[in-house]
Amino acid sequence: EDKVVQSPLSLVVHEGDTVTLNCSYEVTNFRSLLWYKQEKKAPTFLFMLTSSGIEKKSGRLSSILDKKELFSILNITATQTGDSAIYLCAVDGNAGGTSYGKLTFGQGTILTVHP
Amino acid sequence: DVKVTQSSRYLVKRTGEKVFLECVQDMDHENMFWYRQDPGLGLRLIYFSYDVKMKEKGDIPEGYSVSREKKERFSLILESASTNQTSMYLCASSLLSGRGYTFGSGTRLTVV
Repeated sequence: EDKVVQSPLSLVVHEGDTVTLNCSYEVTNFRSLLWYKQEKKAPTFLFMLTSSGIEKKSGRLSSILDKKELFSILNITATQTGDSAIYLCAVDGNAGGTSYGKLTFGQGTILTVHP
Repeated sequence: DVKVTQSSRYLVKRTGEKVFLECVQDMDHENMFWYRQDPGLGLRLIYFSYDVKMKEKGDIPEGYSVSREKKERFSLILESASTNQTSMYLCASSLLSGRGYTFGSGTRLTVV
């Protein structure tokens, strides 16, 4: 059974701080790892990572994947109150057959950024 | 803009009622999924479908059923709602090849 574990489960910081969110996984046949941000409504896509060592960046957010050690990190620099959200890590793994793009999610990290 | 639409944002139902949660996507995606989201547990897969009239159980299918009569619509059915089914329900769709999901806005269901 595929498994994704995120840490920490919650984090409280002040504006301007830098945060690192962790995601470790165990899957049968890894295809990709995805990060989502969820505010009050639908999770929205941040990054998809398929190869080790290639850092993906979008403004103050960046993410990197280590396929040897089976983890990914999501970094947010110079945090703002608008970064307050649940951050979800998910893995697309083929469980020995056709997975139809089925994602396994971690528990999520609740990030709160105070002014 | 592509969309996944869930019919209700908030829903309150009584124990024992039959509950229908509807999800419609306009992206011609093959895959559709139903998850429930609970604090500390993340998103857990209830059922998914990769084609019309096809369905597969996810990790927690007990107490639920699904229907996919048309490609764009995927319904989640709670046959006899119970209080432990109080949760946020998220629908998502994707292409058959995967490449990530598009989510609906969620339905917060309370069973009293």
